[in-house]
Amino acid sequence: DAKTTQPPSMDCAEGRAANLPCNHSTISGNEYVYWYRQIHSQGPQYIIHGLKNNETNEMASLIITEDRKSSTLILPHATLRDTAVYYCILGGYNKLIFGAGTRLAVHP
Amino acid sequence: GAVVSQHPSWVICKSGTSVKIECRSLDFQATTMFWYRQFPKQSLMLMATSNEGSKATYEQGVEKDKFLINHASLTLSTLTVTSAHPEDSSFYICSATRTSSNNEQFFGPGTRLTVL
Repeated sequence: DAKTTQPPSMDCAEGRAANLPCNHSTISGNEYVYWYRQIHSQGPQYIIHGLKNNETNEMASLIITEDRKSSTLILPHATLRDTAVYYCILGGYNKLIFGAGTRLAVHP
Repeated sequence: GAVVSQHPSWVICKSGTSVKIECRSLDFQATTMFWYRQFPKQSLMLMATSNEGSKATYEQGVEKDKFLINHASLTLSTLTVTSAHPEDSSFYICSATRTSSNNEQFFGPGTRLTVL
């Protein structure tokens, strides 16, 4: 079973920041938080991951709370091409278990 | 970047036939490969994990005799759906990891299987 909880859907206006929350209250000490997204009928795409500290790359920022029980993925300037299902997944050096994810719709 | 390809991208077959799907890591050696299945409007479901040269580890409820996985080299894994039936119609996706990637999984584009 997936160990994360995400809202099933969210909307965002083009050009605005998209903030996608994820709850993972049962996270263990050595588990990373991974974010992937899946555009319709394609394979998932890696976005970012983190353990304790906040992370940023060219795609997004990841904010992890101090107790590590929740995190937020931030797409700073959403575009129409960011419309996808976003998955928050806990993982270590083994398999990833996908939950239902958040369907993000970016509209003009 | 790390690229994973799948072949074919789509396949249609008759009920009772077997279908082989290939997953290749194009520019890196994959220590581990994973096979997922995704039904319409559902999330990805992990089917099995395979390491080069050893038997695949199947998830609970996945029939190992029906979904044959061969991981003969560090760049190629194959999934064979044996005696396919319409209920096996699905989107099959593979992924691969490399030792230097902090367990980041690189996904293939998927193979859409339709069994008539």
